[in-house]
Amino acid sequence: EDQVTQSPEALRLQEGESSSLNCSYTVSGLRGLFWYRQDPGKGPEFLFTLYSAGEEKEKERLKATLTKKESFLHITAPKPEDSATYLCAVQAPGNQFYFGTGTSLTVIP
Amino acid sequence: DAEITQSPRHKITETGRQVTLACHQTWNHNNMFWYRQDLGHGLRLIHYSYGVQDTNKGEVSDGYSVSRSNTEDLPLTLESAASSQTSVYFCASSEWTGGVNQFFGPGTRLTVL
Repeated sequence: EDQVTQSPEALRLQEGESSSLNCSYTVSGLRGLFWYRQDPGKGPEFLFTLYSAGEEKEKERLKATLTKKESFLHITAPKPEDSATYLCAVQAPGNQFYFGTGTSLTVIP
Repeated sequence: DAEITQSPRHKITETGRQVTLACHQTWNHNNMFWYRQDLGHGLRLIHYSYGVQDTNKGEVSDGYSVSRSNTEDLPLTLESAASSQTSVYFCASSEWTGGVNQFFGPGTRLTVL
């Protein structure tokens, strides 16, 4: 069964303290790995798509990387406004999306 | 600007009632999806559509139905609401089927008493 696992479930960082979020997946024939940001009471907001191992994408303080079995979302010098839940999703060959349960990030000023 | 909207944003209903949640997108996307989000489960796919008159079952489709009569709308119907269907429901759309991200609506919080 295809699975997506995110860790940690929750992460508290001091402002400026860099860290990484992990997304491991077991789906075969990956069509794409997606990172989303979700704020409380809102729908997920697209951040990145990665397609193949070795690929990297960057946006402001965020950088996403992909290996054959996992992806990392690196957060460099986070700010309080980066606080949110970060979701990882994979698209399998059947075109369905499988989501992880997310990492809740809190950045303390 | 193109967008995806959901209505109502909040709904309280009673067990056994039929409920319809609306989803409307102005992206002109062929693909539309319905998910539910529950603590500990993440987003789970209920139904999806790749175009007008096309509908498909997702991972948790029991007790739900959809119909697609035009490109812009994919209403989700709970035929006989159950307490287990209390959840937050998200609609999403995408342009293509492969390797393209989905755009999400703001969600509908449904409570079944």
